[in-house]
Amino acid sequence: QKEVEQDPGPLSVPEGAIVSLNCTYSNSAFQYFMWYRQYSRKGPELLMYTYSSGNKEDGRFTAQVDKSSKYISLFIRDSQPSDSATYLCAMSEPDSNYQLIWGAGTKLIIKP
Amino acid sequence: DAGVIQSPRHEVTEMGQEVTLRCKPISGHNSLFWYRQTMMRGLELLIYFNNNVPIDDSGMPEDRFSAKMPNASFSTLKIQPSEPRDSAVYFCASSPRTSGVTKQYFGPGTRLTVT
Repeated sequence: QKEVEQDPGPLSVPEGAIVSLNCTYSNSAFQYFMWYRQYSRKGPELLMYTYSSGNKEDGRFTAQVDKSSKYISLFIRDSQPSDSATYLCAMSEPDSNYQLIWGAGTKLIIKP
Repeated sequence: DAGVIQSPRHEVTEMGQEVTLRCKPISGHNSLFWYRQTMMRGLELLIYFNNNVPIDDSGMPEDRFSAKMPNASFSTLKIQPSEPRDSAVYFCASSPRTSGVTKQYFGPGTRLTVT
């Protein structure tokens, strides 16, 4: 079993829909949780990060962490075609915060 | 801000040849990472430098791979000899000195094809 599980998709939704992207993990020591967005033929870019549990909102994006269930989510409201990309979750322990454990990435397609 | 710069962007080489990938991190960042990305294995950390010193090279697949960081503004990843299974996209990323979460800034990648 991988430390971080993420459905590779693709996930295809119509423009304007609410998108939910998820990752599960097995290591209870993870404290930092990140979402990266990767456009085709580009490097990943940090979208959002949270520490420990709770929610964090940034515009149309909301990151949610449920440590009791070892489950993290990224919600995108009013999705746009420009949101079409691969979304990777990444996590780390506090003492080795350079060592990110990556999900496989979910390919998201927003249909106009 | 120029971002992380990688060269070449594409490399096609024959099995057995030496390949050198180059990276210029963002100025002022003290950490540098080399990653490899494939469909099968996803994103894998190969090596991590902090203040130009290799800290963790446990992800380097075998002795054919080597990485150097002679100064704060330049790093290389070398594969010698190259094999078809090395075909992948290789990313360099850099990170500033911060406490807490490590925000990694990725370059555009080098797409390597070994025939």
